[in-house]
Amino acid sequence: GESVGLHLPTLSVQEGDNSIINCAYSNSASDYFIWYKQESGKGPQFIIDIRSNMDKRQGQRVTVLLNKTVKHLSLQIAATQPGDSAVYFCAEIPTYAGNMLTFGGGTRLMVKP
Amino acid sequence: DAGVTQSPTHLIKTRGQHVTLRCSPISGHKSVSWYQQVLGQGPQFIFQYYEKEERGRGNFPDRFSARQFPNYSSELNVNALLLGDSALYLCASSLGPQSGTEAFFGQGTRLTVV
Repeated sequence: GESVGLHLPTLSVQEGDNSIINCAYSNSASDYFIWYKQESGKGPQFIIDIRSNMDKRQGQRVTVLLNKTVKHLSLQIAATQPGDSAVYFCAEIPTYAGNMLTFGGGTRLMVKP
Repeated sequence: DAGVTQSPTHLIKTRGQHVTLRCSPISGHKSVSWYQQVLGQGPQFIFQYYEKEERGRGNFPDRFSARQFPNYSSELNVNALLLGDSALYLCASSLGPQSGTEAFFGQGTRLTVV
């Protein structure tokens, strides 16, 4: 498939290590945040979400942290696996925007076996 | 169950031409959104439709238009194509347009304008 993000920042980790992907969002009116994973040739896939009234949310092997003071979002992936290799995007939704997504620029995660 | 389906998967058009992209949402989903993803960037919101009405429009020129049909499928039309319209066009479907309603993306249509 065709590459999604040829010029994106890249994070390279060893299989089994933990990964941390960061995102700065822009709109202080945003109250809902989502992390998406996009593999080559595919559309974005939902990973985990968080509301602005929370600062941490955990899923299976993934944790999202939200710091509203500095408008920063992070995605932590535990025990990273080769199948986690993809481009990761954060998306924000302002209060007034229903479920219309504003995506950040993305980070490519490469997992070395 | 079928996910979001988009057609065609790839196409090549010449500058100045017109293109129509199609999207079938997940069964039961009434909202369809369109996004443009230029290589190396995150998707950008173009339109959202719900119950055949436009609910949102992003910062795109009037050359871009869309519609939703009674069966909730949708078309995105782009007139007078420019080289800069080359991108992956993504369709997302959701139960509705409300906040917190998860959007499911199709695999996209890769449009190349030459």
